[in-house]
Amino acid sequence: DAGVIQSPRHEVTEMGQEVTLRCKPISGHDYLFWYRQTMMRGLELLIYFNNNVPIDDSGMPEDRFSAKMPNASFSTLKIQPSEPRDSAVYFCASSSAGPIASSYEQYFGPGTRLTVT
Amino acid sequence: ILNVEQSPQSLHVQEGDSTNFTCSFPSSNFYALHWYRWETAKSPEALFVMTLNGDEKKKGRISATLNTKEGYSYLYIKGSQPEDSATYLCASLGNQGGKLIFGQGTELSVKP
Repeated sequence: DAGVIQSPRHEVTEMGQEVTLRCKPISGHDYLFWYRQTMMRGLELLIYFNNNVPIDDSGMPEDRFSAKMPNASFSTLKIQPSEPRDSAVYFCASSSAGPIASSYEQYFGPGTRLTVT
Repeated sequence: ILNVEQSPQSLHVQEGDSTNFTCSFPSSNFYALHWYRWETAKSPEALFVMTLNGDEKKKGRISATLNTKEGYSYLYIKGSQPEDSATYLCASLGNQGGKLIFGQGTELSVKP
């Protein structure tokens, strides 16, 4: 398996522009997670899906952020409009098992480094 | 909100040294504790998932223990090698959802 695939790997955009990050989870994984990693806050969960349905979006910072999972093999995280403080590395992860399973380990993608100028 | 804390923040050791670091987490509403290894320019990789008090897991030279009553886990590396250099993250999972709360990590540097 190719693992979790994210695109683009790097994104540089100007403040006010729309940014769309993409993720393809590992085939057969029912859980998909979006994380943001910054120096100040470390790795924090933004939202996660189970069977394409958003389960917990309490980590989404504000209405400028939205995430969708139209099917089992694709998810997007959109920021509109983007701001310099959104600059971070955004990771997507997937898991085959749910939280109550002892094998609930997450497989992370390579991340997208976003820079908003 | 759960607070997961790791110490030390960074650690520099010589090749061959054994080392350990700590993850502290709230013991109430605990369900599981995860350890991840994160090499520079790569993505985090799962090391262990532990759920039971007294759990001890081992993978090669790396092992971890769990104390759910007092809310801590130790990660041990025996005979550190330069390739062990990475940031080691722990994450706690409460029993009220699937949300992992990550600590800030311990950055380990092993010098040859």
